[in-house]
Parts: sequence; C-alpha cells; structure tokens
Amino acid sequence: DIQMTQSPSSLSVSIGDRVTITCRASQSISNSLNWYQVKPGKAPKLLIYTSSTLHSGVPSRFSGSASGTDFTLTINSLQPEDFATYYCQQSYTGPRTFGQGTKVEIK
Amino acid sequence: QVQLQESGPGLLKPSETLALTCSVSGGSTRTYYWGWIRQTPGKRLEWIGNIYYGGRPYYNPSLESRVTMSLDTSKNQFSLILSSVTAADTAIYYCARETYGDPVFDNWGQGILVTVSS
Repeated sequence: DIQMTQSPSSLSVSIGDRVTITCRASQSISNSLNWYQVKPGKAPKLLIYTSSTLHSGVPSRFSGSASGTDFTLTINSLQPEDFATYYCQQSYTGPRTFGQGTKVEIK
Repeated sequence: QVQLQESGPGLLKPSETLALTCSVSGGSTRTYYWGWIRQTPGKRLEWIGNIYYGGRPYYNPSLESRVTMSLDTSKNQFSLILSSVTAADTAIYYCARETYGDPVFDNWGQGILVTVSS
C-alpha cells in the first residue's frame, strides 16, 4: 500500500493566520492527492482533489499544490469555521490511503 | 445534493457481527462507487472498501477476510457487514460516494459511532 505521511499532527493558530499542512507519499502518485476537512459529528467535506482543484463550494482561501511526492494544503486567513482536522488521501492506486491527520486548534 | 445517512447498532460485543446500512437520497446508487471508511479512536482514517452497480466489491486487503458489502438499488441503500469484531473495530464508520476514475470521496454521511466492548 502507498503510505501517506502528514505533518504536523497538530497546529495552534489564530484567526487570520496562514496555515500550511504537508503530505508526503511513499512513492510517486502523480497528482492523485485529495484533501478533506473533518469535524466531530459532521459529514467530512472534500476540499481539494487532484492536488490543486478546488471542490465546488469550497472557499478560495483553501489551495493545494504539489512538488514530486510532496503535497501542500494552504489555508489563507484562517476563519473560525476552519478549526477542524484535515486529512490527505491518495487516489493513485490500490487501497485508498489517508494521512494521519492534522488538527488545527485555536491558539 | 446527494445526502448519505448511516444506520445500525452502536454497541457490539467481541466476536459479534457488525451490520451497517447507508441510505442515499438525492442521487441514484446505480451510478458512482459507494464505500465505507472508518475513523479510529486515534483519529486515523481507514478505507474499508467500495461497491458499485453491476460490479464486484473491492475491499481493503487488511479487512478483506471479514468484510462483505452489498448494494440494494431498489431501496437506494448499500450495506457493510464486518464479522468477528474486536475492540480494534471500535470506530466512527462513515459511508461515502466515490467518483469514477481518480477515486475521490465527494459526499459523506455524518458517521455512526460503533463501540465493541464486553
């Protein structure tokens, strides 16, 4: 299986901050990398697919980029509703696998 | 907008069989893949498998020996059966719609907590 290593595991940030989360694949996955937002008791949300395409309805402060096997999720000007746990997921081949998650908390 | 809703028991004893159902509204289960994902108490997400109309299910090899999925298009539902559960199967179970091609989970249910305890 392709392993996804996500960092950091948690972040303490303030409203208006810029947040960067990184995900590294254990092998080449082309641009087959997706990002999700998960909140307790809520349905998880797809944010970005194929590494940089914003899903319909997702605010433009979210963006994604890729460099080789490294992928980045950036949240510009963090809003109160953005405090959540974020996961990457590879969709390149085999069993779908996720990163360990990054919890974004209020400082 | 497609909506998904999980249902099933919240508490099981070790060795019992878990049976969950996902009801889909606002879209047909005759298209797309339909899958299950769980979130462990340690917050790790694990893909369990998927199923699609007219095709064979695809299970995560780590769970394949204990998993069965089925699809009932007449009820617009799909189901998960996980046999011989242990405490390690305690998790929030989500159902989700998975797109064709590059598998992306574009719609999810809100999840159901399943606890395995004697």
